[in-house]
Amino acid sequence: EIVMTQSPATLSVSPGERATLSCRASQSVSSNLAWYQQKPGQAPRLLIYGASTRATGIPARFSGSGSGTEFTLTISSLQSEDFAVYYCQQYNNWPRVTFGPGTKVDIK
Amino acid sequence: EVQLVESGGGLVKPGGSLRLSCAASGFTFSSYSMNWVRQAPGKGLEWVSSISSSSSYIYYADSVKGRFTISRDNAKNSLYLQMNSLRAEDTAVYYCASLPLLGPLYYFDYWGQGTLVTVSS
Repeated sequence: EIVMTQSPATLSVSPGERATLSCRASQSVSSNLAWYQQKPGQAPRLLIYGASTRATGIPARFSGSGSGTEFTLTISSLQSEDFAVYYCQQYNNWPRVTFGPGTKVDIK
Repeated sequence: EVQLVESGGGLVKPGGSLRLSCAASGFTFSSYSMNWVRQAPGKGLEWVSSISSSSSYIYYADSVKGRFTISRDNAKNSLYLQMNSLRAEDTAVYYCASLPLLGPLYYFDYWGQGTLVTVSS
């Protein structure tokens, strides 16, 4: 099983600031990496797939980068609606897809 | 607009059974592979099971293999999860989620709102 880790567990950021979230895979997943946003009481929402492609309707302030084992999600200027938990998911090893434990972005 | 609406969750005793349903609308359900993904209270996401568009390919996580059965009825635009021999560790919100049409890609592009399954005596 490919183990996904995320850091930090919690990120405290002020509105308007930049947030950088990290995701690491225990072995290479090429660019088969997705990011999701989840707000309390809601389902996850797809943000990024293919490590760097924004999903339909996702604002340009969200960007993804990386390949292999190291990935980054950057939110360029945090808006109030961006405070949430973010999960990465590898899909290189279908059907054994795995998620990271999440990074909570909260208000500083 | 794509809509996935889960139902069938509830409180069940250990060893009991439950059948979850997911009603799909707003897209050509019969063309998409569908999945169940769960989330234990306060925890992260865990893929549970997947079924291809024509039910030819079915996969399960090791944690549920032999106890859960995924199925679909394309005529009714519905996805199902039959859960038997339930354990306390199966307590979670269960989401149905779709894979992209243009594959093979295995991220989850649309999600339902989830249904809560609680296994407790």
